[in-house]
Amino acid sequence: AQKITQTQPGMFVQEKEAVTLDCTYDTSDPSYGLFWYKQPSSGEMIFLIYQGSYDQQNATEGRYSLNFQKARKSANLVISASQLGDSAMYFCAMSGGSTGTASKLTFGTGTRLQVTL
Amino acid sequence: DADVTQTPRNRITKTGKRIMLECSQTKGHDRMYWYRQDPGLGLRLIYYSFDVKDINKGEISDGYSVSRQAQAKFSLSLESAIPNQTALYFCATRPGHRALGYNEQFFGPGTRLTVL
Repeated sequence: AQKITQTQPGMFVQEKEAVTLDCTYDTSDPSYGLFWYKQPSSGEMIFLIYQGSYDQQNATEGRYSLNFQKARKSANLVISASQLGDSAMYFCAMSGGSTGTASKLTFGTGTRLQVTL
Repeated sequence: DADVTQTPRNRITKTGKRIMLECSQTKGHDRMYWYRQDPGLGLRLIYYSFDVKDINKGEISDGYSVSRQAQAKFSLSLESAIPNQTALYFCATRPGHRALGYNEQFFGPGTRLTVL
């Protein structure tokens, strides 16, 4: 079974600073994908970034980067130059397994990020 | 227009009532999913479908049923709603295997359901 653990229920960061949101995972599948989603107070789920288990380089998307440490089974999200609009709930998720199950997502419990002035 | 739409967006109902939540997508994706979100628990998978003839249970399917009426439509039903089914429900879609953009799931805006 797959499991995602997000140990930070809440985080504060000052505007323009960088912040790291932690995510560890557990799986016995050799092939898997790791995702980060943002959920603002309006409720929608916004895809941020994806990392494949065989990708050699850490994924980056604008101000978002994923610090992938395979041996440690961690996939931390780094947000650089935080903005007030980054205040939201952030979910780490993973997919994996055989073709039939590979696209199901298992989610962590989320981290609520507050960006302050 | 949104690529993945859910109706209704909000619904309040009573215990024992039958409720249907609908999801439509214009992305042409084969794969569709229903998740529920409870505070402190993240999102959990209820059902998923890889095409019209392929429907599978997720981790919390008890008390729910689904119907894939067409590639673009995937409905979730609560045959007899109970208060602990009060939650935020999300529909999501994804391209089939090896399709462009395979890795990302696209979520609808969510349906907030309250069962009294």
